[in-house]
Amino acid sequence: RKEVEQDPGPFNVPEGATVAFNCTYSNSASQSFFWYRQDCRKEPKLLMSVYSSGNEDGRFTAQLNRASQYISLLIRDSKLSDSATYLCVVQSGSARQLTFGSGTQLTVLP
Amino acid sequence: GAVVSQHPSWVICKSGTSVKIECRSLDFQATTMFWYRQFPKQSLMLMATSNEGSKATYEQGVEKDKFLINHASLTLSTLTVTSAHPEDSSFYICSASGLAGGPADTQYFGPGTRLTVL
Repeated sequence: RKEVEQDPGPFNVPEGATVAFNCTYSNSASQSFFWYRQDCRKEPKLLMSVYSSGNEDGRFTAQLNRASQYISLLIRDSKLSDSATYLCVVQSGSARQLTFGSGTQLTVLP
Repeated sequence: GAVVSQHPSWVICKSGTSVKIECRSLDFQATTMFWYRQFPKQSLMLMATSNEGSKATYEQGVEKDKFLINHASLTLSTLTVTSAHPEDSSFYICSASGLAGGPADTQYFGPGTRLTVL
């Protein structure tokens, strides 16, 4: 079983749509959780951290359920510029290493 | 703040040659640097973790004699791919964490180096 699992997609949605991504992780001792976005042939960039209480940043809402080891990302009113690969990332271990999911590809269509 | 650079941004080399990639933290001291590799349509895989002044810790399956890591200062780490082969062609990304103003374990990513071995 992969440490971090995501639906690879691709998700093709029209502008203005709401899209949700899900992720599960296997290490119950994981400490921190993030969503990154990665554009084609570029490095990943931090989108937002994820907390159990849920957090929102504009059109983006992230949620963590530690009991079920499940992380989600909701994008509302999607824009063309949201097209990217979204990576679910878990931080764990004494060295605080990041483990990346395989990513979910999103294409927002005009 | 918290800028990480990599050099070169891309490199093409012949099979059997060695390639050195530099990772620099430009405006903060990076106590820990991480090296990742990403093959097409796959996610980032951690290769090794290095702390300034000590030997790197390699992930399972990563050959330490092939991927030489040096973290000689708080702002520079290098990855040398020795005797490169076509299967080493990949996107190599470094990240750095340390005294950057944010949480101590926040990783800041470099822009990556695309290696193509002919």
